[in-house]
Amino acid sequence: GESVGLHLPTLSVQEGDNSIINCAYSNSASDYFIWYKQESGKGPQFIIDIRSNMDKRQGQRVTVLLNKTVKHLSLQIAATQPGDSAVYFCAEYWMNRDDKIIFGKGTRLHILP
Amino acid sequence: DTEVTQTPKHLVMGMTNKKSLKCEQHMGHRAMYWYKQKAKKPPELMFVYSYEKLSINESVPSRFSPECPNSSLLNLHLHALQPEDSALYLCASSQGQGAGDTQYFGPGTRLTVL
Repeated sequence: GESVGLHLPTLSVQEGDNSIINCAYSNSASDYFIWYKQESGKGPQFIIDIRSNMDKRQGQRVTVLLNKTVKHLSLQIAATQPGDSAVYFCAEYWMNRDDKIIFGKGTRLHILP
Repeated sequence: DTEVTQTPKHLVMGMTNKKSLKCEQHMGHRAMYWYKQKAKKPPELMFVYSYEKLSINESVPSRFSPECPNSSLLNLHLHALQPEDSALYLCASSQGQGAGDTQYFGPGTRLTVL
């Protein structure tokens, strides 16, 4: 089965608050992690990635944290906006596996007005 | 420009039809991918082309036939599909030949098989 999973299938957040989307992975050999955002009717959109030699990476309003000790990945979205409503997928990759990324099940982020 | 384009956006076909999905990228990427995505599920890899050669076939039924005419184009030929093949078909590309490079996705083709 998939080694990448998410703790919550749906997350509801007040507009303006920060959102935290979590992801657990089981393969300690994974060396690359990616977050994708998929809006309704669209393809996945790359948000941010992180290599296993890093603990944190920041983008515009987004931060990804990697905790290799507990095999946990999170995506933090600052000042959540209505346009952030989407399904968020984490994905992992490791060099020795078949050359493909493995997607987690996804978390739907719902923004409350 | 990080755009991957796909045509058509929507496709309805009967089980005896033959149709093709098209994907194009002009980012100079050398790896291209086909994924299938069912509702409320993550994308599932179908095929990978690396430097215009098929490198991965995830045991996809032969009614799906990929083709990579050149480094910018990727086709998926469909023949004798089943209703359960109805899904969103996504194309993606990445710079190198490894999945460890960031993959950029197109908007997908919504396929309905009657």
